[in-house]
Amino acid sequence: NAGVTQTPKFRVLKTGQSMTLLCAQDMNHEYMYWYRQDPGMGLRLIHYSVGEGTTAKGEVPDGYNVSRLKKQNFLLGLESAAPSQTSVYFCAGQEKETDTQYFGPGTRLTVL
Amino acid sequence: GQNIDQPTEMTATEGAIVQINCTYQTSGFNGLFWYQQHAGEAPTFLSYNVLDGLEEKGRFSSFLSRSKGYSYLLLKELQMKDSASYLCANMDNNYQLIWGAGTKLIIKP
Repeated sequence: NAGVTQTPKFRVLKTGQSMTLLCAQDMNHEYMYWYRQDPGMGLRLIHYSVGEGTTAKGEVPDGYNVSRLKKQNFLLGLESAAPSQTSVYFCAGQEKETDTQYFGPGTRLTVL
Repeated sequence: GQNIDQPTEMTATEGAIVQINCTYQTSGFNGLFWYQQHAGEAPTFLSYNVLDGLEEKGRFSSFLSRSKGYSYLLLKELQMKDSASYLCANMDNNYQLIWGAGTKLIIKP
């Protein structure tokens, strides 16, 4: 099992460009999450999904969109990147029985 | 508001014991989690407490007091590889994790 994977691992964007981050999991998780992690701050929830076809806003959703067309994939989109979106992005899937979240390796995004 | 507090940084000596504290004030409680995060890597699950008391798992133990809104992670027989950040997180009423900023643990020989 690959667990939770993310692509790409690194990306540099110019202000105004768009991109999509892909999260894939083979652990049959219903719940999936997108976080951003910035120095000196805790992980902050951007959007989450409780099942295929459903998404919901987290703490910091502005400037991001998500889609969960298939249970195993959770996509995070930036329509018009801004320097404030420079961060490390983590995807996580949650195990139903224990509520434990398992994280992907992260995407390091720099917006110039 | 929702708040998780933990020390920013701690230093300990190889072979020693260290206790990392975490206090929380969140809307509801559905479990307290500890994660380990090495620099440049993803967080990995360490422990979970939902009832008061101590949970022991090898060299690592985690304690919870729900009435005090308090938890700690105890690391024994410290090894150099334990140098990492330790993240405390509380699951609130919406079953979402509220994360502390993490405690960077530095192990010295």
